Amino acid sequence: SAVISQKPSRDICQRGTSLTIQCQVDSQVTMMFWYRQQPGQSLTLIATANQGSEATYESGFVIDKFPISRPNLTFSTLTVSNMSPEDSSIYLCSVVRRPMNTEAFFGQGTRLTVV
Amino acid sequence: ELKVEQNPLFLSMQEGKNYTIYCNYSTTSDRLYWYRQDPGKSLESLFVLLSNGAVKQEGRLMASLDTKARLSTLHITAAVHDLSATYFCAVGADGLTFGKGTHLIIQP
Repeated sequence: SAVISQKPSRDICQRGTSLTIQCQVDSQVTMMFWYRQQPGQSLTLIATANQGSEATYESGFVIDKFPISRPNLTFSTLTVSNMSPEDSSIYLCSVVRRPMNTEAFFGQGTRLTVV
Repeated sequence: ELKVEQNPLFLSMQEGKNYTIYCNYSTTSDRLYWYRQDPGKSLESLFVLLSNGAVKQEGRLMASLDTKARLSTLHITAAVHDLSATYFCAVGADGLTFGKGTHLIIQP
C-alpha cells in the first residue's frame, strides 16, 4: 500500500482567497492525481500531476483556478484560487503505483468550506 | 468520453438479505475498482479487477467483472449494519472515472 498524507485536513476560508493543499507520498511515484468531491457527489478528476512537466487538466478545470506543482516524485500541491462558495468540496490526492501494485490509493482528503 | 453508471444510487435493505450493485462503463478499460466511503472519510479500496471473468471476495462482499459486457457487480451476502456506506466503482488506467455511488443503508 501507499501512505499518502494530505494537509490541511480541513479549512474554512473567506471567498476571494486561495488555499494550497499539500500531498506527500511515502515513496516515489510518476503520476499524482487530484480529485474533487462536491457535497453528496461522486469524485471528479481535476488533473494529473507529472514530475517535471505541467499538469494535465480535465475538461472543466483550468490552471488559473487550480494551479498544481509537482517539484519531486513524492510531493504535489493543489491551489484553489480566488475561492467562491461553489469551491466548497473535499479535495483528494491519489497515486497509482505500478507495475507491482495496480491499486489506486487516496489521501484522507481536505475538506474545504468557503464562506 | 468514458462514462460510468452505477445502480441503484440508493439502497435500503434489511440485515441478512442479499443484494447486488451494478456498474456499467462505456469504453474498454484496463481495470475496475470498487471503493467504500464512510461519511466524512476518504476512500477505502475494496477490490481491483483486472481481467474478464475476474472474481474477488472479501467477507460478505464479492466483486466480478465482465469486460465484454462492460459490467461489474458488487454482491453483498447476508448484509450486516456495518456495511452501511457509500460504494463507488471507478474505471481507468491511471486517472479514474467514478460512478455516482450507491448509498447503502442496512437496517436491523
